[in-house]
Amino acid sequence: ETGVTQTPRHLVMGMTNKKSLKCEQHLGHNAMYWYKQSAKKPLELMFVYSLEERVENNSVPSRFSPECPNSSHLFLHLHTLQPEDSALYLCASSHLRTGAPNTGELFFGEGSRLTVL
Amino acid sequence: GEDVEQSLFLSVREGDSSVINCTYTDSSSTYLYWYKQEPGAGLQLLTYIFSNMDMKQDQRLTVLLNKKDKHLSLRIADTQTGDSAIYFCAEGGATNKLIFGTGTLLAVQP
Repeated sequence: ETGVTQTPRHLVMGMTNKKSLKCEQHLGHNAMYWYKQSAKKPLELMFVYSLEERVENNSVPSRFSPECPNSSHLFLHLHTLQPEDSALYLCASSHLRTGAPNTGELFFGEGSRLTVL
Repeated sequence: GEDVEQSLFLSVREGDSSVINCTYTDSSSTYLYWYKQEPGAGLQLLTYIFSNMDMKQDQRLTVLLNKKDKHLSLRIADTQTGDSAIYFCAEGGATNKLIFGTGTLLAVQP
């Protein structure tokens, strides 16, 4: 139990569906992240929210739409996805880096395994 | 751009030492990390090293950092079957952004 909960754990959707992934953290952190994990590729940072403001968007296609309504919740809204979007989507949270001794450690959820048919 | 590289797979026998290697490109990295991902789970921080150190030891784990060559390694002594997992190297600088490698799948043979 890492204090970061993701739902659903598994999702199968067609290319025309609209679905959402949810992440909730109970650690009092003020930064949240979405990462994409695909086989044989580096873990890919998608979005970073710091104090509920999006501070990073790593050239992610618009069919992925993040939402951070408060510091404890993060969503990833999905629409008209492609089969190559099938992957494990990991949510993480951390304290904001304001200097030493904060190590910036990330706490990850268990991931949502997405399959796009 | 920033890049972290690792080999994809390592196989060792139980009781042997495992050495997982990583190279990175961002010389301004403040911390370098090793994360472990067990099957069906998210990543968990295993250990980290501050960039002004060249070695850190924590029980069976030894982290070596060669800042000149931008090379990081993780040595696991007396490897056990429970150490079988994917190990990710990551670098972090002044921002909250961590750059991860592909992960190295460690398979421990009994």
